[in-house]
Order: sequence, then structure tokens, then C-alpha cells
Amino acid sequence: ETGVTQSPTHLIKTRGQQVTLRCSSQSGHNTVSWYQQALGQGPQFIFQYYREEENGRGNFPPRFSGLQFPNYSSELNVNALELDDSALYLCASSFDTDSTEAFFGQGTRLTVV
Amino acid sequence: AQTVTQSQPEMSVQEAETVTLSCTYDTSESDYYLFWYKQPPSRQMILVIRQEAYKQQNATENRFSVNFQKAAKSFSLKISDSQLGDAAMYFCAYRSAKETSGSRLTFGEGTQLTVNP
Repeated sequence: ETGVTQSPTHLIKTRGQQVTLRCSSQSGHNTVSWYQQALGQGPQFIFQYYREEENGRGNFPPRFSGLQFPNYSSELNVNALELDDSALYLCASSFDTDSTEAFFGQGTRLTVV
Repeated sequence: AQTVTQSQPEMSVQEAETVTLSCTYDTSESDYYLFWYKQPPSRQMILVIRQEAYKQQNATENRFSVNFQKAAKSFSLKISDSQLGDAAMYFCAYRSAKETSGSRLTFGEGTQLTVNP
């Protein structure tokens, strides 16, 4: 166990809806990254938060947004869901942005119908 | 932009035998980190081994070792004495050492490893 927890574990949403995924980082970690892993593919970087500020973003549209709270837990919000948003969403926390080790949660499986 | 390529979608090995998973990457940077992650059916990514590009010595962690060829941009993982618990999807990943990149990881497509009893 890494100490990184994600909720919910599974979620089914309808196209056009909005969804919020949550991540509780490992104690002492101030950096959280989110990844999207489509079926049969490697994870793709969505964005990273460091001390409540977005600190890097991958090639994802603005309808993917996030938050990091003072306790360093984080949310990933996706608006106007599309069928292609169906994927496993992984959260990873690190001690700092310089840290070379990221600890992953078990992911949220999102299905858009 | 950096890319990571894993050319073996699937590999299989007999229990107690040795298997090598391949990974190549493309980057214009000279300082970076390379990783192998394991993703079992539980979905949680687990770090297997890490290599710093500035180190010429290949990293080793118990039964896991890497062959890092910086000039060839190659980073293969060798698993010795394979165990049933090694069965999983394995991902090769790249991380820039640039401060502005943070801890962002670029992953390959993965190799599904099957261990036969």
C-alpha cells in the first residue's frame, strides 16, 4: 500500500455530464499528479499540482481541471464528458516536485455511456 | 517532446527463468531519469527500479536489473528467477531532470508479462 487513496473506485456517467474524482495524497507529500490511462495504453499526464497551484499540464483540453487543497488532497474535474473520456484515472503523489519517486493510487475507473 | 516506446506488447516466461523487456526513448536532454513500473490487476502502479541518466552503472534491485545504454537511448529490464507474482503489465517511463518539469512522467505503451508455472 502506498498511502495514496482515490475515490470512487468505479463510476459510470452519461455523455455531457460532469464528474469529480478525488485523491488523498501520502502524508507529507505536497505534489500531486493526475494521469489518464485508456484501455490497453500507458498513462498520459494530465496535470500536476504543487502547493495548491497548477505546476504543469499535458495535452488535455480546459474541460479537464483540478484543485489541490491546503491538506494537499486533490480533485480532478471533467466537464462535458465525452465517450473517449472513459479510462482509468490515476493519481500520484510525491514528496516534492524534485522527488524522483511517485506513489500511485489504485485509480478510478470512469465509464462514459 | 520526449517519447517512450515499448515494442513488445506481450511477453511470456517460464517460472524460474529469465526474461528481458525492451524500452527505447527519444529525448534531446542529457539529464533525466528512467523507471520501470509494474501494474498488476489491482491497477496500482508499483515502482520496480529507477536509473539516473548521469550514472553509468546499471541499477539493480534484487531479481530486477536494467541495461541502460544512453547513447542508444535504450533501457531494458531483466527479471531473473521469474516468479508467478511477477505477472503484470510493465511500463517504462521517462522523467526530465529539469526543475520546470516537476515530477511529470512519460510512459510507454506497456508490456504484458505472463509467467507460466
